Formats: sequence, structure tokens, C-alpha cells
Amino acid sequence: EVQLQESGPGLVKPSQSLSLTCSVTGYSITSNYWGWIRKFPGNKMEWMGYISYSGSTSYNPSLKSRISITRDTSKNQFFLQLNSVTTEDTATYYCARFVYGSPYVMDAWGQGASVTVSS
Amino acid sequence: DIQMTQSPPSLSASLGDKVTITCQASQNINKYIAWYQQKPGKAPRLLIRYTSTLESGTPSRFSGGGSGRDYSFSISNVESEDIASYYCLQYVNLWTFGGGTKLELK
Repeated sequence: EVQLQESGPGLVKPSQSLSLTCSVTGYSITSNYWGWIRKFPGNKMEWMGYISYSGSTSYNPSLKSRISITRDTSKNQFFLQLNSVTTEDTATYYCARFVYGSPYVMDAWGQGASVTVSS
Repeated sequence: DIQMTQSPPSLSASLGDKVTITCQASQNINKYIAWYQQKPGKAPRLLIRYTSTLESGTPSRFSGGGSGRDYSFSISNVESEDIASYYCLQYVNLWTFGGGTKLELK
């Protein structure tokens, strides 16, 4: 059974970078897509981006200039970096597996990491 | 961008009731809608994909339907374990979520 677990700082200062790690067990990240979704206070959810089995990436156009998703296949982990954060980036961040359901859909998620942007 | 309008934002039900949540897409999404359940502090759980295909382990009291722009999700015979928030997701063109519906006990 695949399991995903987010980790990283819970507090980030404005203008700095937010960095999170997703550790995956029970499934190789060299298959399928792996991505990040966030849930804002008030419950709006937003897809942020993904990294594919081959290492290619795709990002939400609203974030394209600030976001980077990378991976370490030797550790079966993938990473989120979001630059120049503001208080608007305060959210719970989830990592998820995207499986091919013609097209891809998220079928397994981590429990989420709460991140507050504040000075 | 495809927008998903989900309603109602909250729902109050008694045990044994049938409840229905709707999602309207801003354009035809060709049945590529999924439904998730989320309990506080927990990971979202995929219940249904492609409008009406139940995931393994999803109880049969959950169902989905619709086509074109308009979709619905129902729970017949609500049980206490169903108290949660529910979200729709279109996945035909990138991914967009509905605003969520919080199901509470009356």
C-alpha cells in the first residue's frame, strides 16, 4: 500500500522560500505522476504542480514563476519549493500520487503539512 | 481554466437520510469528475472517479452521476462515519476542485 508523508517547516517568513518534502513508501516514484495540492483557510483547494515518472514537470500557470518540483529517486522522495511567499501562501500542503485513469487523477494523498507565512 | 461550482457549501442530515451534492463545470468535462471525502486532519480519500466508478472499498451507498457540465454525488442512508467534507474535482484539463461541502449531523 502506498503511503505519502509531507515534512518541512511549519512557519516561513514573507519573501522567503517554502520547502517541503514528500516521502513515499510502498510504491516507486519512477511510476505515475507525483504532485502537490494545497488547501487554503476557508477550504479552497488548488493543484500546484506535478513531476512525472520521467522527471518532467508541469505547474499551475498561476504559480509558474515561483514553483519548482524536484525529486530524489534514490530516496523515493519528491520536493516542493515555492519562492517569494506571502501571507496568501498560508495553507495546508498535500502531496499526492496521480494515477492514469485516462487522464490522471489523484488516488493517494498524504495527511498534509500546515504552513503559515508570517513575520 | 475550468471552474467548478459546488453546492451546497454545507449540509445537515439525519442518520439514514439521502443527501445529494452537485458540481457544475464551466464547460463540458466529458464525465472526468472525481469525488473525495476528507475528515479533519486526515488525507483526502478518493471515493468515485469518472462520474460514477466507485473505488475499491467505497461503500455502495455512495453514488455519482451526470454528464456534460452537471454532476451529482449522493449518499443514501447516511451513517455517522460519513460525517466529513466532500470535494469534486475535474481532471479533463489540468485539475480544478469544487469549493467543498461540509456534511454535518442534524
